[in-house]
Amino acid sequence: DAGVTQSPTHLIKTRGQQVTLRCSPKSGHDTVSWYQQALGQGPQFIFQYYEEEERQRGNFPDRFSGHQFPNYSSELNVNALWLGDSALYLCASSPAISSYNEQFFGPGTRLTVL
Amino acid sequence: AQTVTQSQPEMSVQEAETVTLSCTYDTSESDYYLFWYKQPPSRQMILVIRQEAYKQQNATENRFSVNFQKAAKSFSLKISDSQLGDAAMYFCAYSSGSARQLTFGSGTQLTVLP
Repeated sequence: DAGVTQSPTHLIKTRGQQVTLRCSPKSGHDTVSWYQQALGQGPQFIFQYYEEEERQRGNFPDRFSGHQFPNYSSELNVNALWLGDSALYLCASSPAISSYNEQFFGPGTRLTVL
Repeated sequence: AQTVTQSQPEMSVQEAETVTLSCTYDTSESDYYLFWYKQPPSRQMILVIRQEAYKQQNATENRFSVNFQKAAKSFSLKISDSQLGDAAMYFCAYSSGSARQLTFGSGTQLTVLP
């Protein structure tokens, strides 16, 4: 049973560029959440997708956008990158109906903005 | 807004000994879930243990147990018989019954000494 997968593992961009990160949820999961984890800090919630729509959003600017596909995989897009966007981006999946609200995380994508 | 506080940035424990990591949270909701996640240097966020707020009994998973004090809004993690593989960053996290996103604390870096 494949867990949550993310690609790429590492990414280096320059200020002003745009980036797309990808996530495939755990088998049987239809809800995908994205988190940003700055170095030495806890993850911060960006947004959550269910049924191809953004269901919840954290305190992140519109430069951060996403998409969910019919097969439940998801993309995170960040436009106009700046140095502060350098972080580990984590994707987490969960079933729509869960007794525990727990989420299963992927290994993350390390984004460096120069 | 819900907040999660971990007041111990770093902790250390001798192998085979017991250590307790602290976590407090703030919420006005009655239906919520609490989690401890472990993040080793590999970056993969791994669920250690979970607690439903409506359950009075403290959760236990093998060597890991929690002390859930609902009135005090405290949720500590006890690791018994510590092993070298327990060394990691530990995050306390909160999720309300309605909003599926996780709110994380700032983490506690646990070192296990041989």
